[in-house]
Amino acid sequence: DAGITQSPRHKVTETGTPVTLRCHQTENHRYMYWYRQDPGHGLRLIHYSYGVKDTDKGEVSDGYSVSRSKTEDFLLTLESATSSQTSVYFCAISGGQGNEKLFFGSGTQLSVL
Amino acid sequence: GIQVEQSPPDLILQEGANSTLRCNFSDSVNNLQWFHQNPWGQLINLFYIPSGTKQNGRLSATTVATERYSLLYISSSQTTDSGVYFCAHTANNNDMRFGAGTRLTVKP
Repeated sequence: DAGITQSPRHKVTETGTPVTLRCHQTENHRYMYWYRQDPGHGLRLIHYSYGVKDTDKGEVSDGYSVSRSKTEDFLLTLESATSSQTSVYFCAISGGQGNEKLFFGSGTQLSVL
Repeated sequence: GIQVEQSPPDLILQEGANSTLRCNFSDSVNNLQWFHQNPWGQLINLFYIPSGTKQNGRLSATTVATERYSLLYISSSQTTDSGVYFCAHTANNNDMRFGAGTRLTVKP
C-alpha cells in the first residue's frame, strides 16, 4: 500500500469555524491531490499540487485553500466551514510523468453542523 | 470539460458470474485508470491502462483510446468484488476526472 496518511479521520465542526485537513505521504511523489466525494457527484477535484509551493485549482475549489511547504505534506483548509462542505475528503498522490498511477488515502469524514 | 460516462450505473450478479463495465469519454483519453471502492470506502487502484489490455487475476481491462472507451472485465465474481468501480482520466493539466461509478453487488 502507498504510504498516505490523512488526519483526522473524522471531524465534526460548527459552521463558520476554520478547519485544516492534513495529508502526509512517504512515497516522495511529486503530485498530491484533494478530492471530495458526495452522493450523486462522485469524486471531484478540489485542488492539486505539482511540487512544493506549486498548486492549482480543481473543479470545486471555491471555499478551500491549500498549502504545500514540504514534498510530503499537503494541507487543505476550509477558512470558514459551511454545511455544504460536509463530505468525505480524500487525498491522493501520483509520481507524475511516466508514473501517473494514482493512490488514495483512507479519507476524512467531515461534518459541518 | 471532458465528460466521463460509466455504464451500467448499477449491476447485481450472482457469485461466479462474469461482468463487463464500460467507460466512455467525450475527448481524447489520457492516463486512464480504474479504481475499486470497497464497502468501507477505501479506494484501490486496479489498473493504469492508457491503451491496450492488462490482466490481474480475475480482472482485466482494455482501453481503445482511438474510440474513446475502456472496459473492465470481472470474471468468476466473488462477494468481495462488491463495491463501486470508477474509471478516471487525466486532462492535460493533471486534473483527473472521475466517472460517476458502477455500483456492483455480488450475491452469494
